[in-house]
Amino acid sequence: EAQVTQNPRYLITVTGKKLTVTCSQNMNHEYMSWYRQDPGLGLRQIYYSMNVEVTDKGDVPEGYKVSRKEKRNFPLILESPSPNQTSLYFCASSLGQTSTDTQYFGPGTRLTVL
Amino acid sequence: KQEVTQIPAALSVPEGENLVLNCSFTDSAIYNLQWFRQDPGKGLTSLLLIQSSQREQTSGRLNASLDKSSGRSTLYIAASQPGDSATYLCAVDGNYGQNFVFGPGTRLSVLP
Repeated sequence: EAQVTQNPRYLITVTGKKLTVTCSQNMNHEYMSWYRQDPGLGLRQIYYSMNVEVTDKGDVPEGYKVSRKEKRNFPLILESPSPNQTSLYFCASSLGQTSTDTQYFGPGTRLTVL
Repeated sequence: KQEVTQIPAALSVPEGENLVLNCSFTDSAIYNLQWFRQDPGKGLTSLLLIQSSQREQTSGRLNASLDKSSGRSTLYIAASQPGDSATYLCAVDGNYGQNFVFGPGTRLSVLP
């Protein structure tokens, strides 16, 4: 089954404790992206990657890191989480090559930083 | 910078009604516009994608139109059902699936 998976689905942590949220897709998509969703602000793009070893900042990259060492994986790293990073995070992927490419979303990771 | 708005923010209708959700965007230089559905606590599911050269797309009871020059799209839902209750998001793509900007969504409740 074609899908985007994220782990963990729920995470409660404390300020400053490094964490990684994993994202994996099995559709051989070149393009992957991370979004955060906050009430009243909608979905905002954090980082995206057009291919292996190619990443770029989205609209709200501060406090986040990403890496793309393999085509299927695109982990989101919070080196020193802060309470303002409490949010619902989504990973997405697409072929990223034509104007008909739709994005496929993972189920989301709900992060709470205390 | 592209900005996307959606009206109304919330909508409650009785089952069976036809309804229209609106999406507006500020920069008409888009490659496509996509409508998504989001159920509570879940991810987004793509409903319809309209390329910039197209005027509309249809899937079952859903019809989406695009007027790129005026920066508007509408999602028409015919004969609404309680199972249609969800948040509907529109997103515009500025670069071949690589630069989606989302609207804030319309929360739809269809009452039995």
